[in-house]
Amino acid sequence: QLQLQESGPGLVKPSETLSLTCTVSGGAISSSSYYWGWIRQPPGKGLEWIGTIYYSGSTYCNPSLKSRVTISVDTSENQFSLKVSSVTAADTAVYYCARHSRTGVENYFDYWGQGTLVTVSS
Amino acid sequence: DIQMTQSPSSLSASAGDRVTITCRASQSISNYLNWYQQKPGKAPKFLIYAASSLQSGVPSRFSGSGSGTDFTLTISSLQPEDFATYYCQQSYSTPATFGQGTKLEIK
Repeated sequence: QLQLQESGPGLVKPSETLSLTCTVSGGAISSSSYYWGWIRQPPGKGLEWIGTIYYSGSTYCNPSLKSRVTISVDTSENQFSLKVSSVTAADTAVYYCARHSRTGVENYFDYWGQGTLVTVSS
Repeated sequence: DIQMTQSPSSLSASAGDRVTITCRASQSISNYLNWYQQKPGKAPKFLIYAASSLQSGVPSRFSGSGSGTDFTLTISSLQPEDFATYYCQQSYSTPATFGQGTKLEIK
């Protein structure tokens, strides 16, 4: 059974960089069939797609965040990571990692991590 | 960006009821439409893809329909475990975007 687990600091100061890692177990991140994505959810609000990466390193990011977001992959550790720079209180959210299936109309997030709350505060 | 608008924002219903949630896209997205269920404090659970295809393991009381700009999620007979928030998501173009959610509450 595929499992994803987010890890990283729960508190980040304004203007600093948020860094999270997603560890994948029960399946290889280097599978040619899947991509890997990050989605966030501010407290009490809806879902926002941040970006997606393929094991080769190709990335697709939300233009609203693109200038501040870096997504990377480490196939040897079966992990992928997210960095968001110059954070503000508006970046406070639960951050989820997810498997992203992208085959034509079959384009969805089918396995999700449990999520991790990141609070931006001094 | 394609905007996804769900209605209603909240809905009260009883166990055994049939409920329908609507999702409208700001432009045609063919059938590139997914549905998710989220319970408080939990990650979203993937339910339906391509507007009407049920993900493996999802109960058959859930169904989806629609194409173009208008879509529906129907739960034929509500079970206690179905009370949650539901989100639609378009995968027609980048960035992927979600509806604002529909909270299904117990009457």
